[in-house]
Amino acid sequence: GAGVSQSPRYKVAKRGQDVALRCDPISGHVSLFWYQQALGQGPEFLTYFQNEAQLDKSGLPSDRFFAERPEGSVSTLKIQRTQQEDSAVYLCASRPLPGQGLSYNEQFFGPGTRLTVL
Amino acid sequence: AQTVTQSQPEMSVQEAETVTLSCTYDTSENNYYLFWYKQPPSRQMILVIRQEAYKQQNATENRFSVNFQKAAKSFSLKISDSQLGDTAMYFCAFMKEYGNKLVFGAGTILRVKS
Repeated sequence: GAGVSQSPRYKVAKRGQDVALRCDPISGHVSLFWYQQALGQGPEFLTYFQNEAQLDKSGLPSDRFFAERPEGSVSTLKIQRTQQEDSAVYLCASRPLPGQGLSYNEQFFGPGTRLTVL
Repeated sequence: AQTVTQSQPEMSVQEAETVTLSCTYDTSENNYYLFWYKQPPSRQMILVIRQEAYKQQNATENRFSVNFQKAAKSFSLKISDSQLGDTAMYFCAFMKEYGNKLVFGAGTILRVKS
């Protein structure tokens, strides 16, 4: 089946603009994660959903960052009033439930959205 | 809080040779999972190999194997018979036993030369 998809793949925003990044997880995966990956660094956790419930948002760097997954499938990460330090690749990952296969605990990553804030 | 350290920013290896990437971590947890992920240039991250901390036997996946030393909190990746397609950034990652988020190291760029 299809993997995790993200759109847009590239986004250029002027400082102060709002952006919305979309993630389509693997069908049937109940867990969804967002990570931020700065240039040359490892990904850092932002937030986690199980179905439509946002169970952990401890990694969101400021109240300008907001994520939602209203129907338990597609998720959107919104960044308001973007700043230059928000420039990064934003990765989405999904994970099946235990018992859904041999890949429990494996997170399947999308290609990412590269955000550049000018 | 858990931390993951990859002390080798870059490594090079000749095609068909063996290379080992290092990873150490810090945790007070007894049970957890460790992962190596591969991120090729401009392509998405994929899982290479996974180790459960309660298993003493080192995980292997074809040309990839790990040396897991729980007491030393070390988790190195060995790639045998390196291929050009192994060129990528490799990330070591940690997850608590009933956790959700992955904690990543800074990564090691591996270049396989022909």
